Amino acid sequence: DVQLLESGGDLVQPGGSLRLSCEASGFTFSSYAMGWVRQAPGKGLEWVSAISGRGDNTYYADYVKGRFTISRDNANNMLYLEMNSLRVEDTALYYCVKGKYSGSHNYFDPWGQGTLVTVSS
Amino acid sequence: EIVLTQSPGTLSLSPGERATLSCRASQSVTSTYLAWYQQKPGRAPRLLIYSASVRAAGIPDRFSGSGSGTDFTLTISRLEPEDFAVYYCQQYGSLYSFGQGTKLEIK
Repeated sequence: DVQLLESGGDLVQPGGSLRLSCEASGFTFSSYAMGWVRQAPGKGLEWVSAISGRGDNTYYADYVKGRFTISRDNANNMLYLEMNSLRVEDTALYYCVKGKYSGSHNYFDPWGQGTLVTVSS
Repeated sequence: EIVLTQSPGTLSLSPGERATLSCRASQSVTSTYLAWYQQKPGRAPRLLIYSASVRAAGIPDRFSGSGSGTDFTLTISRLEPEDFAVYYCQQYGSLYSFGQGTKLEIK
């Protein structure tokens, strides 16, 4: 059974930093692209970032480019999202998602349960 | 960036009725790289449809997807009580983007 378990969400001040983690199990982690999707309270889904199976290609939404960094540790089945220069509008539940393929053009299945990031002074 | 616009924003129907949800893209979606997800309150989204018309594993056949280019549709042939939720479309042909969602509520 595929499982994705996010952690690292917290309350942080504007301008601060946070690192999210996603522990994956139940599949050959290095064979699949992974990503992060967020959902602000009461709002819709917003794609944040994705990374290829080998970690050699990364992709970012414009609103996080230059501030967030996605990475993975295939030896330990871990996905990360390093978040810097956080803004109030980054407040959201961050979901870890598994892609269907190793490269690009992925739909997401399944999704983790999410970890909450709150940016507030 | 491909912008997806879903309509209607809210759809009020009764169990047993047919639901038709629309997703329109600002430019053509490559190779029908279009997916639909269902989200219930307090739960993570669940994949329903990919490649515009292929049902994901375990999804009942009352759910169907169609469309190509810029216009896509999710149809629920006969609504069950558990189908009332928020539905999102997603394109994955040019990076990734989601529509704003359609809330399907009980009339």
